[in-house]
Amino acid sequence: KAGVTQTPRYLIKTRGQQVTLSCSPISGHRSVSWYQQTPGQGLQFLFEYFSETQRNKGNFPGRFSGRQFSNSRSEMNVSTLELGDSALYLCASSPLFGLAGSQETQYFGPGTRLLVL
Amino acid sequence: AQSVTQPDIHITVSEGASLELRCNYSYGATPYLFWYVQSPGQGLQLLLKYFSGDTLVQGIKGFEAEFKRSQSSFNLRKPSVHWSDAAEYFCAASAGGGADGLTFGKGTHLIIQP
Repeated sequence: KAGVTQTPRYLIKTRGQQVTLSCSPISGHRSVSWYQQTPGQGLQFLFEYFSETQRNKGNFPGRFSGRQFSNSRSEMNVSTLELGDSALYLCASSPLFGLAGSQETQYFGPGTRLLVL
Repeated sequence: AQSVTQPDIHITVSEGASLELRCNYSYGATPYLFWYVQSPGQGLQLLLKYFSGDTLVQGIKGFEAEFKRSQSSFNLRKPSVHWSDAAEYFCAASAGGGADGLTFGKGTHLIIQP
């Protein structure tokens, strides 16, 4: 099975712009989560989608948004970019067919490194 | 608030020596627990996980972890490290229930001395 894929891998934007990142989960996985990784704050949970619905959201401003499509692929969008948004954005997928336990294991993609100038 | 603590920011170990990375959690109930490894410029690779049952769990690459409820700990161990084990290690926890994101520790940077 192919792993989680994320595109693009690297991105350079300027302040005030917006950006869209894409994530394709492992085949059959219906849950997609997004995380931001920075040297200062570490790994922080952004949001989680299951069956096209956002079920949980971390403590991030409304500039960060996402969506999930019917094929479970997900996108996240950051509007009005700030310098502090420079980070590695990681996507993770899990099976999560409504069962707890092993179905909740999250598998991560390689990430998209965003640099805001 | 839920939290995961990795007390050691850096650890240096000689190649062939044993390794133990510490992880403590603070949750209302026993969470699901995970260890991930990250090589420079890469995503996170799952090493092992604990949901319930046997408190000693085996993972990939020769790693194991022991869950100790009384100490709220989930320490990662390896009997003999290899130079290729040099990486950043993250302990993570989840309250479960489906929609909960992972809470990560700050990570431990493992350096292997020849």
